[in-house]
Amino acid sequence: GQQVMQIPQYQHVQEGEDFTTYCNSSTTLSNIQWYKQRPGGHPVFLIQLVKSGEVKKQKRLTFQFGEAKKNSSLHITATQTTDVGTYFCALPTPYNQGGKLIFGQGTELSVKP
Amino acid sequence: DGGITQSPKYLFRKEGQNVTLSCEQNLNHDAMYWYRQDPGQGLRLIYYSQIVNDFQKGDIAEGYSVSREKKESFPLTVTSAQKNPTAFYLCASSIEGVSWEPQHFGDGTRLSIL
Repeated sequence: GQQVMQIPQYQHVQEGEDFTTYCNSSTTLSNIQWYKQRPGGHPVFLIQLVKSGEVKKQKRLTFQFGEAKKNSSLHITATQTTDVGTYFCALPTPYNQGGKLIFGQGTELSVKP
Repeated sequence: DGGITQSPKYLFRKEGQNVTLSCEQNLNHDAMYWYRQDPGQGLRLIYYSQIVNDFQKGDIAEGYSVSREKKESFPLTVTSAQKNPTAFYLCASSIEGVSWEPQHFGDGTRLSIL
């Protein structure tokens, strides 16, 4: 079946440093979503990528979808303590398989002030 | 204010007991989902419902049961058959049960064994 690998599992950075998490799929994707979960909180939808090679920015966050639509990345420039949390990618399954999402294992980001 | 309400926030289960976690949404979403999250882990799908009066098993449905009698409500019962129920349970909904719709999550219920 479809598999997702998200790396790294943990990342500790000094405030102001950059951060990147990567998500890799075993199959070609129609789209990919990214979520953020603050400590003790619930996942919150950040963005969806659909097109091959797509790059989207949200302030200091840059999301990329690979040319082959099998991988994606989230890059945070100049991290702040408000960026702390776990970032998940979520991959789709075909509608005839329920149209549900498969979540990656997540990358937990901690930021030292 | 539209959203998803999960209750209770914390729940304790005795051995051999069934417990029910509540999930209510007023977003008028067709699809609803239940996930289990263990410490340091991703989200694993327990059950999902794409429409009222219909639901399907997810990846880890054993020891759990659900119902979807109303569009707004999708309660999850953790039965005594679930031998390791201690986890964080998250309910989510989306406009439709399709993978390109973002999911909206409730605040979760933390279940522990007494």
